[in-house]
Amino acid sequence: DIQMTQSPSSLSASVGDKITITCRASQTMSTYFNWYQQKPGKAPKLLIHSVSTLQSGVPSRFSASGSGTDFTLTITSLQPEDFASYYCQQAYSTPWTFGQGTNIEVK
Amino acid sequence: EVQLVESGGDLVKPGGSLRLSCVVSGFDFSDVWMSWVRQIPGKGLEWLARIKSKTDGGTIDYAAPVRGRFTISRDDPKNTLYLQLSSLETEDTAVYYCVKDRKSGGRDPFFDYWGQGTLVTVSS
Repeated sequence: DIQMTQSPSSLSASVGDKITITCRASQTMSTYFNWYQQKPGKAPKLLIHSVSTLQSGVPSRFSASGSGTDFTLTITSLQPEDFASYYCQQAYSTPWTFGQGTNIEVK
Repeated sequence: EVQLVESGGDLVKPGGSLRLSCVVSGFDFSDVWMSWVRQIPGKGLEWLARIKSKTDGGTIDYAAPVRGRFTISRDDPKNTLYLQLSSLETEDTAVYYCVKDRKSGGRDPFFDYWGQGTLVTVSS
């Protein structure tokens, strides 16, 4: 199984901050790598797919990059609606696996 | 508009069974793979099972914790995905999400649509 190690597990930030979340996979997975956002009480929402492609409707303050086993999600100028949990996911081989999640809280 | 609507979540005793359903609309259900993902309250996401489209052989895969206890199936004419849960344990208490997986041929390998979730509580 491919293990996904996501960090940090939580962070405190303010509106306008730039934040970065990292995810490390236990093996390479080409571009089969995605990011999801989840708000309390809601289903997760696809944010970025195929390492760096923004899903339709996702604001351009979100960006992502990576290759091999190391991937990052960056939010420039954090907005109030961005306080949520974020999960990385590999879609290369089953079992599809998620990172442990990163919860962004208000500082 | 794409919709995935789960139902069937309930309170069930340890050792019991339950069947979850997910009715889909807004896309060609028969042309996509479908998955179930669960989330223990306050915890992260856990993929459980995937069923490929019939075009791709209808192949099924399970996560180790549920293999042999859960069964995924699909009824394409009814646009419905199912998850049969058996031998339930308290650790299976979670919100269960129906998820649109990739398209036939493995195209678009990401979960772009999720249901609202249905809560399964396993408790005596």
